Amino acid sequence: DIQMTQSPSTLSASVGDRVIITCRASQNINTWLAWYQQKPGKAPKLLIYKASSLESGVPSRFSGSGSGTEFTLTISSLQPDDFATYYCLQYNSYSPELAFGGGTKVAIK
Amino acid sequence: QVQLVQSGAEVRKPGSSVKVSCKASGGTFNNHVISWVRQAPGQGLEWMGGIILMFGTSNYAQKFQGRVTITADESTNTAYMDLRSLRSEDTAVYYCAMSPPSCSTVSCYARMHFWGQGTLVTVSS
Repeated sequence: DIQMTQSPSTLSASVGDRVIITCRASQNINTWLAWYQQKPGKAPKLLIYKASSLESGVPSRFSGSGSGTEFTLTISSLQPDDFATYYCLQYNSYSPELAFGGGTKVAIK
Repeated sequence: QVQLVQSGAEVRKPGSSVKVSCKASGGTFNNHVISWVRQAPGQGLEWMGGIILMFGTSNYAQKFQGRVTITADESTNTAYMDLRSLRSEDTAVYYCAMSPPSCSTVSCYARMHFWGQGTLVTVSS
């Protein structure tokens, strides 16, 4: 099984900060990675798929990059609505075995 | 715009089973895939499996193979997740999620664009 390791597990930031979250895969997953945002008591929201494709309706301050085993989610200028937990999700076009990372909680500094 | 409405909270005893429904409205039902994701209290997200509606093909995470069945009824635009042999560790909120229109391949399981409101399943003796 492919393991996904996210870092940091928590981070404190201020409105306007640039925030970077990292996700590492235990083996090469090409660009088969998505990013989700979840707020307490709510369903997750898809932000990025295929490592860098912005889902429709998602603000452009969110961006994703990476390939192979290392990926990043960047929030260019943190907004009040962005305080949430973020999860990466690895997938594969051939094998339907998806795995989420452990999550990164973005808190107010 | 697709909306997903899930069935209500359930309480079950260990060893029993539960079936959660997810009714879609808006859009063309079989033009998507549906995933089921669960979240135990205070924990992260876990993908359980999904169904490619166009073909009626289901796929399951290895952890749940043999214990979960995901089906769909095109006539009522409803998907179902049936989990058996429940144990206390299955206490969680269960979500259904649907891909964007015309995203109907295995990789579309990860493109969970529309979400249900979640169903709390509590397993307790």
